[in-house]
Amino acid sequence: AQSVAQPEDQVNVAEGNPLTVKCTYSVSGNPYLFWYVQYPNRGLQFLLKYITGDNLVKGSYGFEAEFNKSQTSFHLKKPSALVSDSALYFCAVRDIGGGSWGKLQFGAGTQVVVTP
Amino acid sequence: EPEVTQTPSHQVTQMGQEVILRCVPISNHLYFYWYRQILGQKVEFLVSFYNNEISEKSEIFDDQFSVERPDGSNFTLKIRSTKLEDSAMYFCASSRPSGESYNEQFFGPGTRLTVL
Repeated sequence: AQSVAQPEDQVNVAEGNPLTVKCTYSVSGNPYLFWYVQYPNRGLQFLLKYITGDNLVKGSYGFEAEFNKSQTSFHLKKPSALVSDSALYFCAVRDIGGGSWGKLQFGAGTQVVVTP
Repeated sequence: EPEVTQTPSHQVTQMGQEVILRCVPISNHLYFYWYRQILGQKVEFLVSFYNNEISEKSEIFDDQFSVERPDGSNFTLKIRSTKLEDSAMYFCASSRPSGESYNEQFFGPGTRLTVL
C-alpha cells in the first residue's frame, strides 16, 4: 500500500525567507512523487514531479524539491518566499510497482502562510 | 493554456436524489480521473478511466457511482442515490497520452456537492 505524510498542518514564514514544506512517503515499489498547490476556490495546480534521475527537481514559480530515498522524503523548497505563495500544498505519490493505473495518493496538505 | 473545466461549481441536492457532475478534460488527454475531498480531509482517489472503461477504482466507488464519457469531450460522474456522506468537493483530472505512465494529472476547479 502507498501512503504520504505531511507532518505540518501549517507553515508560517516571513516574506523573503526560505520556505520548506515536508513530505514523507511509503510505497511498495519505486515512487513517482508530485507536488500540487491549491489556491482558494481553485483546483489543484501541478508544481513539479520526481520520476527518476537527479534528486533535485525544479518546478514552477521558483519551487524545487529534493528526493531522498534513504529518508523516503520529498520536501518542497523555495529559497525566498513571496506573499503570493500563501496557499495549500499537497504532496502526492504514485506507486509504479503496485500495478496502479495512475492513482495518486495525497497527503493531508500543508497550509503555507507567508507574512509581509 | 488549456484547462480542465467542471460544472456546476456548486450542487445542492436532497438525500436519495441522483446527481451528475460534469467535466471537460483537456482536449488531447486520454486518461481521466475523479477524486473527492470531504471537508477537512485528504483528497481521495475515486476512479480512473481510459479507452472507455474503468481502469481502476477505489473502495469508495461502489455501485452508487458510475462514470461515462458520453461524447468526445465530456466526462461525467453520476451518483445514483446520494447520501449525506457524499457531501464533498469532487475534482476531475486528466493526463496526456504517451508511452510513459508518470505524466502529471491536471485538475479542474472542483464541484462542491452538498447533500441535505
